[in-house]
Formats: sequence, C-alpha cells, structure tokens
Amino acid sequence: ILNVEQSPQSLHVQEGDSTNFTCSFPSSNFYALHWYRWETAKSPEALFVMTLNGDEKKKGRISATLNTKEGYSYLYIKGSQPEDSATYLCAFMIPGDSGYALNFGKGTSLLVTP
Amino acid sequence: GAVVSQHPSWVICKSGTSVKIECRSLDFQATTMFWYRQFPKQSLMLMATSNEGSKATYEQGVEKDKFLINHASLTLSTLTVTSAHPEDSSFYICSARAQVTNQPQHFGDGTRLSIL
Repeated sequence: ILNVEQSPQSLHVQEGDSTNFTCSFPSSNFYALHWYRWETAKSPEALFVMTLNGDEKKKGRISATLNTKEGYSYLYIKGSQPEDSATYLCAFMIPGDSGYALNFGKGTSLLVTP
Repeated sequence: GAVVSQHPSWVICKSGTSVKIECRSLDFQATTMFWYRQFPKQSLMLMATSNEGSKATYEQGVEKDKFLINHASLTLSTLTVTSAHPEDSSFYICSARAQVTNQPQHFGDGTRLSIL
C-alpha cells in the first residue's frame, strides 16, 4: 500500500477566508491524482482528475495544482463559504492486478463558519 | 452528472447473518466497479475491483470467500458479506467508472453495517 498523506487533518475557517490543503504522494510511477469532496450524508463528489506535472485546474472558487516530481498537490478554496464544509479527499491512482485503482488519503475535514 | 445508487444505506443484523449490498449505476455503463471499506478515522480502503462479466480482483488481506462480489451487468454490482461477525461492522461504499481509466469514479452513498 502506497502512503498518501493529507494535511492538515482538520481545519476551521471563517466565511470569506481563503484556505488550502496538501496531498503528498509517492513521486515514482505517477499515473493520476484525484480530488473528491465528501459532504456528510452524501456521496463523495469528484472535483479534479490531474495527470500532468504542473497541471492547474479550477472549478469555481476551488483550484488545484500538481507537482509530480516532488509528489504533492495543493487544493485551494478562495473565499470559503459554509457550503464548502466537507471532507476533502485526495487519491493517488496506482496500477493493480485488475487495472488502475485509487489509494486514498484520510482526508482534510474543513469547517467554515459564518 | 453520473449517479450511483447504493442500497441499503444502513443495516443492523445478528452475527452469522449474510448481508447483500447493491451498487447500481443509473445513467451510465460501469465497466469497472470498486468496493471500499472505511473504519473510523481511517481512509477509504479498497477491498476489490470488479469488471463486468469477470471475477473480482481482491486486495491483499481481503477474504474473497467472506466478501462475495458479483458484477453481472454493466449497471449492477453486489457485495455479500457472508456469515457476518461484529468485526465486519464498518462503512462500505462502492464506486463505478466508465471505460476510460482517467475519468473520476462515481460513488454511492455508502452502507453502514452493524453486526450485533
């Protein structure tokens, strides 16, 4: 099992603050990195699939960057809103016996208060 | 967006019971489906990968006779926890992916399994 580390484990910010979290992964044999948002009582929702070193992707106020050579990805949220409260998961895609599978980090739990 | 339905969402049953969990892709054909388990404060751990019409591939440490996976169609996969015991109590969640590997996985809502 390859370790995917996410930090911080949890974060509490005020509405309007911008924030960011980190996902670290093995830099060898990189295939793809996924980011998901998981709200309580819902299913994880895909945010980004990142494949190229230097990739930067954006979805509304959320953006992510990727550095495959050093093995990290940052997720940024600009002007956090209470509805951004969720656990943010990153997952490193690895080849397995039946194709490519996702190896998840433990997530960063974000709470945004008004 | 792509929708995956997982059911039931919550099960409580006695030790020794077998429990079946269904995972359905509602609006796309899921060539590959994945089953994960999550213990408290831990990450989602992949249990097995199943491709439609093939036997599932299990991760190391996951007993295939204990966790029976069937992926008989492009829209349905089932996980049966056979003769469940309290240590099988966990959160089980499925995901599905269409044919292209670099597409995101689409998750069900998960099943909370409690074995008494």
